[in-house]
Amino acid sequence: GNSVTQMEGPVTLSEEAFLTINCTYTATGYPSLFWYVQYPGEGLQLLLKATKADDKGSNKGFEATYRKETTSFHLEKGSVQVSDSAVYFCALIHKEAAGNKLTFGGGTRVLVKP
Amino acid sequence: EPEVTQTPSHQVTQMGQEVILRCVPISNHLYFYWYRQILGQKVEFLVSFYNNEISEKSEIFDDQFSVERPDGSNFTLKIRSTKLEDSAMYFCASSTNGGSTDTQYFGPGTRLTVL
Repeated sequence: GNSVTQMEGPVTLSEEAFLTINCTYTATGYPSLFWYVQYPGEGLQLLLKATKADDKGSNKGFEATYRKETTSFHLEKGSVQVSDSAVYFCALIHKEAAGNKLTFGGGTRVLVKP
Repeated sequence: EPEVTQTPSHQVTQMGQEVILRCVPISNHLYFYWYRQILGQKVEFLVSFYNNEISEKSEIFDDQFSVERPDGSNFTLKIRSTKLEDSAMYFCASSTNGGSTDTQYFGPGTRLTVL
């Protein structure tokens, strides 16, 4: 079946450091890929998405590129801020699956220190 | 900006009791979803709903669970006889057209605690 694996946290960084969160997936065909973020006390918010191979999603300084050859969708940000402290979830939707259900990775907690 | 809302934010109940979790999706959205996250585990899909019917449900969504859109704005998840293992954060989501590229917008969640 479809699955998403992402690096376990917590990831602790200093402000202005470079952030990478690895995400790999298992799915037949070419799913749509998403990164969601959950700030403390809030729900899941879409951060960015990519719907076909080699697409790059970007938002708020974050980027992720859909790599079909490595079945990966790693999240990167060049210079993190304290406000980026959150839990980040990688997810996919299989295009041929009924109901358009999101399949999530386990989440990675990121803590940015001043 | 429109958002998905959920009530209550926290529900405590006794094992065996019925609970109803409520959601108000974004007003022009047509597809609705419930997900849950048991503490320390992954966010899991429960059910998707369109045109007053279930589109897809997971193996978690057994006969103890039901969903309903009782009016034009609310979307509810009912658990008939709660078990200890139903304790989790329950998230409602909605989307415009339900396609695989469509964004699902999530509510803040309801934390259900079953004692």
